[in-house]
Amino acid sequence: SQELEQSPQSLIVQEGKNLTINCTSSKTLYGLYWYKQKYGEGLIFLMMLQKGGEEKSHEKITAKLDEKKQQSSLHITASQPSHAGIYLCGADIVGNNRKLIWGLGTSLAVNP
Amino acid sequence: ETGVTQTPRHLVMGMTNKKSLKCEQHLGHNAMYWYKQSAKKPLELMFVYNFKEQTENNSVPSRFSPECPNSSHLFLHLHTLQPEDSALYLCASSPTSGGVVANEQFFGPGTRLTVL
Repeated sequence: SQELEQSPQSLIVQEGKNLTINCTSSKTLYGLYWYKQKYGEGLIFLMMLQKGGEEKSHEKITAKLDEKKQQSSLHITASQPSHAGIYLCGADIVGNNRKLIWGLGTSLAVNP
Repeated sequence: ETGVTQTPRHLVMGMTNKKSLKCEQHLGHNAMYWYKQSAKKPLELMFVYNFKEQTENNSVPSRFSPECPNSSHLFLHLHTLQPEDSALYLCASSPTSGGVVANEQFFGPGTRLTVL
């Protein structure tokens, strides 16, 4: 099993709908990073979360860190076609010398 | 130019060829990374350079040879690759690597490599 699990693997939503993507670590987290990737392109940094209970927003995207659950959720409100892409989480975990581990990504499609 | 740039964007090579991937960052960062991204696998960290010194080699085969002449440039020299090396190769940079907190990394657009 993956050290960093993302769910769901893929998601198709109608424009205007809300959605949530989860990222769960099997190890203790120092920090959690969210990135977005368009197919075949580089990763675009969205947000970094470091403290339990921390919540950050970027336009219509909000991410929270639940330290007890070692989990982060990414929530998109009123989705738009521009939100489509692959959302990747990266984790700075204890005992990994500050090297990030990565989830497999969640592929999001937004239908107009 | 801003951010992190990578050239070429696409590369097709035979198993006996020698080629190089180039990465350049214009962010004033001191750490640079090479990652391999393959379908259905998490991002694989290959190499890390911090202040031009290699600090991480993640058991990468010797057919991949990195070079970091200065903090702004990173190369990945390729020779006698295998078809399973076909992937998207991503370069990233961050202010530093290691330290108290892992810094967010800024990625280039990647080089799509196909080995025939």
